[in-house]
Amino acid sequence: NAGVTQTPKFQVLKTGQSMTLQCAQDMNHNSMYWYRQDPGMGLRLIYYSASEGTTDKGEVPNGYNVSRLNKREFSLRLESAAPSQTSVYFCAREGLAGPGELFFGEGSRLTVL
Amino acid sequence: QKEVEQDPGPLSVPEGAIVSLNCTYSNSAFQYFMWYRQYSRKGPELLMYTYSSGNKEDGRFTAQVDKSSKYISLFIRDSQPSDSATYLCAMSRTGNTPLVFGKGTRLSVIA
Repeated sequence: NAGVTQTPKFQVLKTGQSMTLQCAQDMNHNSMYWYRQDPGMGLRLIYYSASEGTTDKGEVPNGYNVSRLNKREFSLRLESAAPSQTSVYFCAREGLAGPGELFFGEGSRLTVL
Repeated sequence: QKEVEQDPGPLSVPEGAIVSLNCTYSNSAFQYFMWYRQYSRKGPELLMYTYSSGNKEDGRFTAQVDKSSKYISLFIRDSQPSDSATYLCAMSRTGNTPLVFGKGTRLSVIA
């Protein structure tokens, strides 16, 4: 899992329900990311955190909140899920090789009915 | 115009063929260029990493960057069925800016 663990792996929600996707890295790298991947859309950045205590919006932040609880954990919350948030969500951490080296988790498949 | 354009394919080739995958981009500030490989139902994994223009070779894989044309390529020699995956290009402006990904090209190598 490239040192990135995501839970849950699968989830089905009803419209309006809330949930939190959890992500933990087994290293102490500063930067962590949340992406969503949809057919024909590629990977789109939702939020990222350059260091503990900081978060920044990416390309598609609406409908999501994040928390960088500590250096190892970065969670993504859907407060009121919508069918448009049906997607595969990937968490990633930076590597040491340089800008652009990301290690991804296995993904969390979310379906909103 | 999207910052990064990538033909989604699918691309189907026979085993042993040379595969060429490409991306174009519009932002001349991009300096770091990557290729990620993603197997079905898995997370992407970094395959190749280049800085600025030029070529980089790693085994059967060669990455090329032509900044003057805003064009990057990934070549796979002697392609194998195990190369069947989606290949995503990615790029960033500086060490502190997030990656921008292409949509990915799905490749099938037929034995």
